[in-house]
Amino acid sequence: GAVVSQHPSWVICKSGTSVKIECRSLDFQATTMFWYRQFPKQSLMLMATSNEGSKATYEQGVEKDKFLINHASLTLSTLTVTSAHPEDSSFYICSPDYVQETQYFGPGTRLLVL
Amino acid sequence: AQSVAQPEDQVNVAEGNPLTVKCTYSVSGNPYLFWYVQYPNRGLQFLLKYITGDNLVKGSYGFEAEFNKSQTSFHLKKPSALVSDSALYFCAVRDGQAGTALIFGKGTTLSVSS
Repeated sequence: GAVVSQHPSWVICKSGTSVKIECRSLDFQATTMFWYRQFPKQSLMLMATSNEGSKATYEQGVEKDKFLINHASLTLSTLTVTSAHPEDSSFYICSPDYVQETQYFGPGTRLLVL
Repeated sequence: AQSVAQPEDQVNVAEGNPLTVKCTYSVSGNPYLFWYVQYPNRGLQFLLKYITGDNLVKGSYGFEAEFNKSQTSFHLKKPSALVSDSALYFCAVRDGQAGTALIFGKGTTLSVSS
């Protein structure tokens, strides 16, 4: 498989602050990164797809100005939740590209906005 | 549009009994089908996939799944359930085009009792 890390694993912040989540592919280079969010006991919803060096493509209903994605290198992508509010509290999971046609996922970041 | 249906929110089985978690899909073109498992507050772990070839695919931890094109199904099975199999299971699909993300079913909670 592929090894994917996310940092931080947990973050608690105050409403109105910004939070950056890092996703790294540790043993392969990812030209594409998928970002998902998951609410408790619900499925994963695709938020956006990014390609290294270009702008991300956001799914319908996802605010691109609130969820800033940077995919500056083949091993690192970041998701910044700007001016976070309680409704942004969720579990965010990244998935870099495919390895042998399979998507592997990071361990996730739990965001709690107070 | 691609979609995945997991008709059961929860499946309960006794340890040692066979288990089945159901999944049906809709996708244009040839489907790439996957099963993942998620433990609480963790990312997704890849179990198995069908891309092409034999309809019966074997995966991790003794799980297997059968691709049925006529019924557009990809049910997950295991001959003898373990208590440690208790978790949330997701079926996912994508078409074969490069750069497309997985679309997930809503998930099925498997509960194995001792």
